[in-house]
Amino acid sequence: AQKITQTQPGMFVQEKEAVTLDCTYDTSDQSYGLFWYKQPSSGEMIFLIYQGSYDEQNATEGRYSLNFQKARKSANLVISASQLGDSAMYFCAMREPYSGNTPLVFGKGTRLSVIA
Amino acid sequence: GAVVSQHPSWVICKSGTSVKIECRSLDFQATTMFWYRQFPKQSLMLMATSNEGSKATYEQGVEKDKFLINHASLTLSTLTVTSAHPEDSSFYICSARLGPHSTSGAGYTFGSGTRLTVV
Repeated sequence: AQKITQTQPGMFVQEKEAVTLDCTYDTSDQSYGLFWYKQPSSGEMIFLIYQGSYDEQNATEGRYSLNFQKARKSANLVISASQLGDSAMYFCAMREPYSGNTPLVFGKGTRLSVIA
Repeated sequence: GAVVSQHPSWVICKSGTSVKIECRSLDFQATTMFWYRQFPKQSLMLMATSNEGSKATYEQGVEKDKFLINHASLTLSTLTVTSAHPEDSSFYICSARLGPHSTSGAGYTFGSGTRLTVV
């Protein structure tokens, strides 16, 4: 079964508008971590934001915020005031359990295109 | 901080030859390194987990004799693609697990990736 599901293969957003990228996850652990990465065409993985399963408040990092709905097992990324440079692939990832040297498991990604 | 230097960035090799990809941690000790493969327009798929000084653990379906991983020191992990074939052409990227007190990248850092093309 897929651990991380990103249902939007591609998204378009107008410059300066906000956009939400969807991510749902599947785990039976109580302790886990959720990540969002941006991957431009160069291939590097740029860390954006992190949410721990026990964090009560939604994580925010500048223009990025994570809409964490634990009961629904969703961790959507919200990008406010989109910029042309935001055009890239975006991956949602999970680490479970919370501790230990466990690898990240990635979703299939969403390609975001920002239109001028 | 917490930089992983990955080389080469891209490589073209002939079918049947071997290619070595290096991931070097510059300012920390990488006890655990993860190796991922990413085909065009697809996600990152975990190939193996390596721990310094011990044998790597490979994911199901990954040929350990073909993808040799060596993690002989706390600052260097290598992936060697042996007898490469065109179907091995892909983007390979390493990721290091940071220490428990690191806040960088929420505990993970990535190399910049290697684009392998086998002709």
